[in-house]
Amino acid sequence: GAVVSQHPSRVICKSGTSVKIECRSLDFQATTMFWYRQFPKKSLMLMATSNEGSKATYEQGVEKDKFLINHASLTLSTLTVTSAHPEDSSFYICSAREPASGNTIYFGEGSWLTVV
Amino acid sequence: EDQVTQSPEALRLQEGESSSLNCSYTVSGLRGLFWYRQDPGKGPEFLFTLYSAGEEKEKERLKATLTKKESFLHITAPKPEDSATYLCAVRSIQGAQKLVFGQGTRLTINP
Repeated sequence: GAVVSQHPSRVICKSGTSVKIECRSLDFQATTMFWYRQFPKKSLMLMATSNEGSKATYEQGVEKDKFLINHASLTLSTLTVTSAHPEDSSFYICSAREPASGNTIYFGEGSWLTVV
Repeated sequence: EDQVTQSPEALRLQEGESSSLNCSYTVSGLRGLFWYRQDPGKGPEFLFTLYSAGEEKEKERLKATLTKKESFLHITAPKPEDSATYLCAVRSIQGAQKLVFGQGTRLTINP
């Protein structure tokens, strides 16, 4: 299957600072990527859909000014958590749609964010 | 609104004890039903895509089936390494490219 890579896998930041998480499609070009958040023992919550070269589409209730998404190339999308608060601590997962496999969506390994 | 419900929430089996996980869905025009496996602290791993009622797919000890209202993930003679959370998701015409996930089934296989 296709490979999606996230970096960093774990990050700790101080309250009030910003942190960036990268999502790369390693062996295919992804015009569409997705960002999810997952709480312990809960399912995935879609935050936004990232389209290459255009603005991201955010789900209802997700603050677009807090969670900045950029999809500047066909293999890279970034999520920046701005003015981080402890309640932003979570597991963030990206995914990418691979056209060659019938638009199967492949997921990255996830990134653990801890805000202290 | 597209909805996905998985049952049971958790399932414990003995090694070799076959069983099935259920995924019931309500969508406005199904464009695909997906099964993923998720290990603790990891991203979901793609297993299967099913597109139309009657379709079946197999991979090792797993077999996924689809009807117009639900999908089953059958696990035959499971091993401890099959322990994971299994997620079901749907993509619909109305939902465009988004996946709507169920809550998952936490499967534990005891040796």
